[in-house]
Amino acid sequence: EPEVTQTPSHQVTQMGQEVILRCVPISNHLYFYWYRQILGQKVEFLVSFYNNEISEKSEIFDDQFSVERPDGSNFTLKIRSTKLEDSAMYFCASSSSYNSPLHFGNGTRLTVT
Amino acid sequence: TQLLEQSPQFLSIQEGENLTVYCNSSSVFSSLQWYRQEPGEGPVLLVTVVTGGEVKKLKRLTFQFGDARKDSSLHITAAQPGDTGLYLCAAPGTYKYIFGTGTRLKVLA
Repeated sequence: EPEVTQTPSHQVTQMGQEVILRCVPISNHLYFYWYRQILGQKVEFLVSFYNNEISEKSEIFDDQFSVERPDGSNFTLKIRSTKLEDSAMYFCASSSSYNSPLHFGNGTRLTVT
Repeated sequence: TQLLEQSPQFLSIQEGENLTVYCNSSSVFSSLQWYRQEPGEGPVLLVTVVTGGEVKKLKRLTFQFGDARKDSSLHITAAQPGDTGLYLCAAPGTYKYIFGTGTRLKVLA
């Protein structure tokens, strides 16, 4: 069964550094999302992306965050200058159409020191 | 802001017991989904309910969508250690899914 893949599985970075989290969504999916989860608790929406532009973003997704689909397969989340509170699990998800179920990757654990 | 409150937040039970998890909101939704997340993995879809009053069964799991489409429940019969995980309800918002606060279930052998 097709799956969403995320790399790296774990990223450790120093405060103030830039990080790029990478995702390869399911190939025929058109809608892409980033969520984050702190300490295994609530899954928080960050941003959704369709047709090469952001559809919706949360208040968490401030100017330090950006997303890109640089080619036909990758979907990336960049954090320009990481803060301690950015430490979390970041999940990429994709879906085939608007409001169809989300397929999640296994996440990237980001640790900011 | 649309909120999905789940209860209980934590649940620890013995193998063989039954349990019910609730997902409540003040908003009406066109559909609602339940996901299960295991440690080190992303959430995995269990079911989607669409019609008010709808009941769906997935082996020992029974899902119900409230008549007014504001709430849902997940009932597990004869829980097994393999049911251990974080259960999340989710509902569609504008270009996103909103996730509930989560119920962490631990089933002890």
